[in-house]
Amino acid sequence: EAQVTQNPRYLITVTGKKLTVTCSQNMNHEYMSWYRQDPGLGLRQIYYSMNVEVTDKGDVPEGYKVSRKEKRNFPLILESPSPNQTSLYFCASSSGGRAYEQYFGPGTRLTVT
Amino acid sequence: GENVEQHPSTLSVQEGDSAVIKCTYSDSASNYFPWYKQELGKRPQLIIDIRSNVGEKKDQRIAVTLNKTAKHFSLHITETQPEDSAVYFCAASRWDSNYQLIWGAGTKLIIKP
Repeated sequence: EAQVTQNPRYLITVTGKKLTVTCSQNMNHEYMSWYRQDPGLGLRQIYYSMNVEVTDKGDVPEGYKVSRKEKRNFPLILESPSPNQTSLYFCASSSGGRAYEQYFGPGTRLTVT
Repeated sequence: GENVEQHPSTLSVQEGDSAVIKCTYSDSASNYFPWYKQELGKRPQLIIDIRSNVGEKKDQRIAVTLNKTAKHFSLHITETQPEDSAVYFCAASRWDSNYQLIWGAGTKLIIKP
């Protein structure tokens, strides 16, 4: 089954404790991205990757890191989480970049206390 | 940069009636306009998209219209059904921004029985 998976689905952590949210897709998509979703603000892109070893900042990259060592994986790293990073996070992939259908993962609900 | 405004933020319609959600964009060079549907607790999913070389696109009960002169595009849902209840997001992107997707804030559509 073609899908995008994320782990964990729910995470409660404390300020400053490094965490990683994994994202994996099995569709051989070149393009992957991370979004955060907050009430009233819609979806805001954090980082994206056009291919392996190619990453770039989105609209709200501060406080986040990403890596793309393999085509299928695109982890999101929060080196020192803060309460303002409490949000719902979605990973997405696409076969042709942002001008084509984005396949979203199930989301990760992160709470930073 | 590009800005996408989406209205209304909440729309309540009687089952069987039509619903219209409108988005306006600021960058006249934008040329790709997708609509995503997000059911409660689920991931966003593409329902329809349109490119700037066409003015209208239909898929069963769903249609999207694009007015490039006025820089707005709209989602039309006819004969609404309970399963249409969701949050709908519009977005816009353009070629030379590496197809960066700029998202509207979302419209919560409520279908009243």
